[in-house]
Amino acid sequence: AQTVTQSQPEMSVQEAETVTLSCTYDTSESDYYLFWYKQPPSRQMILVIRQEAYKQQNATENRFSVNFQKAAKSFSLKISDSQLGDAAMYFCAYRSLDSNYQLIWGAGTKLIIKP
Amino acid sequence: EAGVAQSPRYKIIEKRQSVAFWCNPISGHATLYWYQQILGQGPKLLIQFQNNGVVDDSQLPKDRFSAERLKGVDSTLKIQPAKLEDSAVYLCASSLGPPRGRAIHEQFFGPGTRLTVL
Repeated sequence: AQTVTQSQPEMSVQEAETVTLSCTYDTSESDYYLFWYKQPPSRQMILVIRQEAYKQQNATENRFSVNFQKAAKSFSLKISDSQLGDAAMYFCAYRSLDSNYQLIWGAGTKLIIKP
Repeated sequence: EAGVAQSPRYKIIEKRQSVAFWCNPISGHATLYWYQQILGQGPKLLIQFQNNGVVDDSQLPKDRFSAERLKGVDSTLKIQPAKLEDSAVYLCASSLGPPRGRAIHEQFFGPGTRLTVL
């Protein structure tokens, strides 16, 4: 069974600085999707960025980018020019392309932005 | 476009009482999900509907939890009787269709209902 691990329960960063959130996963599959979701205090889960495993190019969405290391089974999220509105829980999730399409979630990382 | 609506936002009950949560998905979304999110954890899928049929309810504690999606639109999740360990945020999400192969069918989440069982 697939598992997703986020080893940083909490991270803090100074406003306007860059921060990287870590995620590792375990799978025997060669093709899958990886996601980063943001959950602010309002509790609404929002998709930040996604990566298809068969694509070598790292996904980028404005200030958010990923470092996808398939062999190492690592999927980190980099947030550049951190803003106060980035403060939230960040969850890494995995989805198989095979029979089980459920999202497998990590435990989350709380990101604190210092003004 | 209106998002996923959930009510109530908060609920506090005594153990052994009953409670129900309501979800209205985005218009046209055929797939609806209910998740349980315990503090400090990622969401856990409880049940997935495709239109008004159940696709997956393998992690739903069926002795106390029930869910329905009449007419393939709104959905209710009920807990009867509640236990202390049911304290959590209950998230509803919807997507255009079920995930299949490379089709992403992004899930859109509602604001959740925070349940506290005393």
